[in-house]
Amino acid sequence: KAGVTQTPRYLIKTRGQQVTLSCSPISGHRSVSWYQQTPGQGLQFLFEYFSETQRNKGNFPGRFSGRQFSNSRSEMNVSTLELGDSALYLCASSSWTSGGAGQTQYFGPGTRLLVL
Amino acid sequence: AQTVTQSQPEMSVQEAETVTLSCTYDTSESDYYLFWYKQPPSRQMILVIRQEAYKQQNATENRFSVNFQKAAKSFSLKISDSQLGDAAMYFCAYRATYNQGGKLIFGQGTELSVKP
Repeated sequence: KAGVTQTPRYLIKTRGQQVTLSCSPISGHRSVSWYQQTPGQGLQFLFEYFSETQRNKGNFPGRFSGRQFSNSRSEMNVSTLELGDSALYLCASSSWTSGGAGQTQYFGPGTRLLVL
Repeated sequence: AQTVTQSQPEMSVQEAETVTLSCTYDTSESDYYLFWYKQPPSRQMILVIRQEAYKQQNATENRFSVNFQKAAKSFSLKISDSQLGDAAMYFCAYRATYNQGGKLIFGQGTELSVKP
């Protein structure tokens, strides 16, 4: 099976702009989660989608939003970018079936966002 | 709230030797999942090993094994016969069950270097 894919891999934006990141999960996986990784804050959970519904949301401002499509692909959007939004954004998918295997999240390569 | 703590920011091991990375967590739940992920310089997050809390037997994957002490809330990773390719950042992560939200909570990471 193909792994989780994320596009684009690198982005440079300026303050005030908005950005959309895309994630395609492993085939058959219906859950997609997003994480932000920074040197200062480490890995922080943004939100999780399952069957097009947001199931869980982390402690991020409303500028961060996401959605999931019927084919399980997901997008996250950050509006009015700030310098502090510079980070590696990781997407992970899981099948969400019962048992350990279903609960395991598999990660994509990430999108590195730089805000100038 | 659940937390994960990795008390060793950096560790070093000689090639072919054994190293143990420490992780403790805090939760009031009885059913959950624990993971070790590896993040090499490419930044791709790779699953190393998974442990289901309801299983008493420690998980093993080739040269990687865990020491899961549920009562002590400890989850250490042992790497045997260390190889140069094991050099990476290692993250311990906790995931509650479906009904508890299921987001991954990460520790701050341990950077492992392997000396030839």
